Amino acid sequence: EPEVTQTPSHQVTQMGQEVILRCVPISNHLYFYWYRQILGQKVEFLVSFYNNEISEKSEIFDDQFSVERPDGSNFTLKIRSTKLEDSAMYFCARSPDGSYEQYFGPGTRLTVT
Amino acid sequence: DAKTTQPTSMDCAEGRAANLPCNHSTISGNEYVYWYRQIHSQGPQYIIHGLKNNETNEMASLIITEDRKSSTLILPHATLRDTAVYYCIVRVRSSNTGKLIFGQGTTLQVKP
Repeated sequence: EPEVTQTPSHQVTQMGQEVILRCVPISNHLYFYWYRQILGQKVEFLVSFYNNEISEKSEIFDDQFSVERPDGSNFTLKIRSTKLEDSAMYFCARSPDGSYEQYFGPGTRLTVT
Repeated sequence: DAKTTQPTSMDCAEGRAANLPCNHSTISGNEYVYWYRQIHSQGPQYIIHGLKNNETNEMASLIITEDRKSSTLILPHATLRDTAVYYCIVRVRSSNTGKLIFGQGTTLQVKP
């Protein structure tokens, strides 16, 4: 199974601060996804990204969120002004093709204080 | 994507087969059944998927009923490391609809 890595593993930030979460891609995987899981709740889809643009996003993915591949390598999720309710595990997932299985990273635990 | 129904929790003895059911009575002809699992706080892990034929890989077997309205994931010899939340997801296998919609899943507890 392809290995997906995410950095950092844990991020603590103050409310209102910006955070950037990173996902290291696999070279032949073209589709990227971000999901989040609030403690004790379901895994929720945030956004999918293909060919350097968003292909689909959920209602959760509002204007404070953005994604990009700034240098064609890392895939990033930026939260511009964090809120307490953004505290969650954030998982990156990749797929060689949107029709194939997705491979998830170990997640970044974001704690907003 | 069709809705799925799974039991909230199940127990299984170590070394025995774990049979996890899933109902998807509104499944469409072009929708696949996917199974993922999540071991405590880790990222979800893909297990297996199928359309209508039974499937087997190194992790598990997937049995889909002939009418495709339900399926069963079988872990043939469960170990303590198989303790996890198991998710049954139904979705179209299309490059334009890649998102996965997770439900609450079944919490499988494998006991010694």
